[in-house]
Amino acid sequence: GEDVEQSLFLSVREGDSSVINCTYTDSSSTYLYWYKQEPGAGLQLLTYIFSNMDMKQDQRLTVLLNKKDKHLSLRIADTQTGDSAIYFCAEIPSGGYQKVTFGIGTKLQVIP
Amino acid sequence: NAGVMQNPRHLVRRRGQEARLRCSPMKGHSHVYWYRQLPEEGLKFMVYLQKENIIDESGMPKERFSAEFPKEGPSILRIQQVVRGDSAAYFCASSPPFSGANVLTFGAGSRLTVL
Repeated sequence: GEDVEQSLFLSVREGDSSVINCTYTDSSSTYLYWYKQEPGAGLQLLTYIFSNMDMKQDQRLTVLLNKKDKHLSLRIADTQTGDSAIYFCAEIPSGGYQKVTFGIGTKLQVIP
Repeated sequence: NAGVMQNPRHLVRRRGQEARLRCSPMKGHSHVYWYRQLPEEGLKFMVYLQKENIIDESGMPKERFSAEFPKEGPSILRIQQVVRGDSAAYFCASSPPFSGANVLTFGAGSRLTVL
């Protein structure tokens, strides 16, 4: 089935690391994504990982994928106030075409 | 490349009126998705279209909602006889023909307020 779950809220201090977690249910998902939404704006792709990978790093962002537990995480190193936003986990579940399913989003608040 | 263009950005309607939301995908993108975001809720899939075809409308309410993506012109999401519960942000996204990772490019959204 299609279900992506995330915690609703995370608060961190500026300079600390943030870890946003996500669980998904479709073990045959091929790609998993992280999108960022700033207030009043649409979603922007941050990064994505193919299901045969365990980890992907891109500057301050590290994505970890645990396929056994169907768990995806996004780590933001040296979190800045500009990182305050809602972060969405998303997957392409099995189904033969490219429907992207999003989680509810985690609101990250960075405290100066 | 102007990206995904949605208009209007803000729309106010009274109950019973019609709302039409438009989406012009990125150049070269032939797939369009509509999502609805309610206050304090996540992004809910509504419909997925390719040119002149509705591929998946499993997220669309059965009544009052319709979508199209004609051969020429933007994709249109139409809501007839709007009710207060339709107040939400409606996001359009587009993607190129399938090429592996289906990266969606989102528009800035259309915010519908029903009085």
